[in-house]
Amino acid sequence: LAKTTQPISMDSYEGQEVNITCSHNNIATNDYITWYQQFPSQGPRFIIQGYKTKVTNEVASLFIPADRKSSTLSLPRVSLSDTAVYYCLVGLNTGNQFYFGTGTSLTVIP
Amino acid sequence: SAVISQKPSRDICQRGTSLTIQCQVDSQVTMMFWYRQQPGQSLTLIATANQGSEATYESGFVIDKFPISRPNLTFSTLTVSNMSPEDSSIYLCSVVLPHERVPDTQYFGPGTRLTVL
Repeated sequence: LAKTTQPISMDSYEGQEVNITCSHNNIATNDYITWYQQFPSQGPRFIIQGYKTKVTNEVASLFIPADRKSSTLSLPRVSLSDTAVYYCLVGLNTGNQFYFGTGTSLTVIP
Repeated sequence: SAVISQKPSRDICQRGTSLTIQCQVDSQVTMMFWYRQQPGQSLTLIATANQGSEATYESGFVIDKFPISRPNLTFSTLTVSNMSPEDSSIYLCSVVLPHERVPDTQYFGPGTRLTVL
């Protein structure tokens, strides 16, 4: 079972960098790590995906250590519109059971 | 990416009745999933609905309660049968696109908000 563990909530001030870490000790060799963002009354939306080391796109960076048992989503200079729940997910394409963990509720404070 | 629509967007139903939720995708997909999300909670996978095969249900979910149809590669339905207030939730479908540059990525519909009285 590709279980993930994240902090339940985090607060940050506008303009700061936010790092959200996810633990996935049972990650399989072929599993990718995918992060989603969910606003109230909407379905989750893809943010970033990685397999190892570091991935960066226009909205976030993803850091994955060599053992791949955890990953850190980094949001640079957050704004109020980044207030949302963030989920990490592993195990979709490898036949492993997968599920969304509790997610991390990020609140950005003015 | 994919555009996914769900119908209805919301409904209020009486206990003991059934509701069928539709999920339509603008491209052909093989992997489609149905989730339930209760207010303030995370998503719980109900079943995987792959075209051409029976849906695979997760522990705690049974076909008699949540029958799923997958008649083609762009459409699926989830029925919530013999509803009780405990079924009040948001129901979401998601898809994985074939040949996606970023594998394992799910695209979600907007959800169907169900209230059972």
